[in-house]
Parts: sequence; C-alpha cells; structure tokens
Amino acid sequence: QKEVEQNSGPLSVPEGAIASLNCTYSDRGSQSFFWYRQYSGKSPELIMFIYSNGDKEDGRFTAQLNKASQYVSLLIRDSQPSDSATYLCAVWGFGNEKLTFGTGTRLTIIP
Amino acid sequence: DTGVSQDPRHKITKRGQNVTFRCDPISEHNRLYWYRQTLGQGPEFLTYFQNEAQLEKSRLLSDRFSAERPKGSFSTLEIQRTEQGDSAMYLCASSWRDIMNTEAFFGQGTRLTVV
Repeated sequence: QKEVEQNSGPLSVPEGAIASLNCTYSDRGSQSFFWYRQYSGKSPELIMFIYSNGDKEDGRFTAQLNKASQYVSLLIRDSQPSDSATYLCAVWGFGNEKLTFGTGTRLTIIP
Repeated sequence: DTGVSQDPRHKITKRGQNVTFRCDPISEHNRLYWYRQTLGQGPEFLTYFQNEAQLEKSRLLSDRFSAERPKGSFSTLEIQRTEQGDSAMYLCASSWRDIMNTEAFFGQGTRLTVV
C-alpha cells in the first residue's frame, strides 16, 4: 500500500464547476496535510494546508480533513482554465518527518 | 527575492560525470529537503536536514548521491558517476520545524539530463 494515494486522473471539469480532488494516507500518525499545485515543467506551489479535522477555506479553495477515515480532499469552486494543473497531496507527521507526496491528480478545466 | 533558490536551473551532463546542485533555502527556515521528480510521478524523497544535521536519507538512494548543509544554510546535492536513470527534476524545499512542521516551499528545481 502506498503511503499517500491519489487518483491519477485526468479529471476533467467544466469551467465554473466545482473540482473535487481526493487523497488518502496510510500513516495514522500524520499531523499536517498540504496541497500543492504543479504546472507542467514547473516546481510545486503550495496552495493549502490543514492540521485539524474539518474544513478550511481560502478563497475558491477548501481543504477537508477526516483523520478517522485518513482522508483529505481539496475542493476548487468556480473552476477556471488557469486551475488546470497537477495537484499533489503531501503529509507530514511526528516520527515520519519527511514530507510524503502522492503521485498527483491531473486536473483539466474545460472552457 | 526571499524564496528558495536553486542553481543551476538546467544541467546536461555526459554519463559518468559528477554533478553538483545548490539550494539556498528561505533564510529563517531550519529544515531543508531534497526531492527527485520524474515525469508523471510525485516528488520522491531523497534526504532532509535540520540545520546542519542530515536526519534522514532515503533507502532508495544509492551511494552515488551525497548531500551536505555545512553551516545550516545552503545545501549541495552531488551525484557521482551519473547514469541515464538519474535524469529528473531535482527539487529543494525548506520549512520551519518547531512544535510542528510548517508548510514547505519549493525552489524552481534543477532539471538534470544525462546523455
């Protein structure tokens, strides 16, 4: 079992709709959860992080965390063509202090 | 610019040559990570430092790879006797580790091509 799993996609969403990206992790000791956006040929760019169960909103982005289910998600509202990218989920925890990444989900916003 | 800086941005080398990459983290960050990324994959952990101490090194990393952070500031990653399989994007990230680990920010990466 991979430590961090994401659907590889591609995920296609019409412009203006909500894009939903999912991530599951295997280490119950994980404490911090991060979402990065990566455009082709570029390095990852941090867009959201979450530590506590529940929702965290930042503009059009909402991160959701459920530690009991070992599940974290990212919702993108009012999707724009510029949101087309690969989204990486990363986790960090005490005792496993490297940031561990999933393989990423490729998102395409269709105009 | 106070972000993470990597040098060079691109490197083409012949198989068997040694290469060295440099990373300058965000100045107040005490933790520095190195990752490798190939097409279609997420960043793969290589090693990380807390100040000048190398705390973990990936078991997947061969002895040809070595990293240093001599004064707890910039870091170098050296690959000896490069192989074609070493071709990848090498990413550096930094963060502040106190009670928790804050978010990590990446540099622009160094794209290595071994011919």
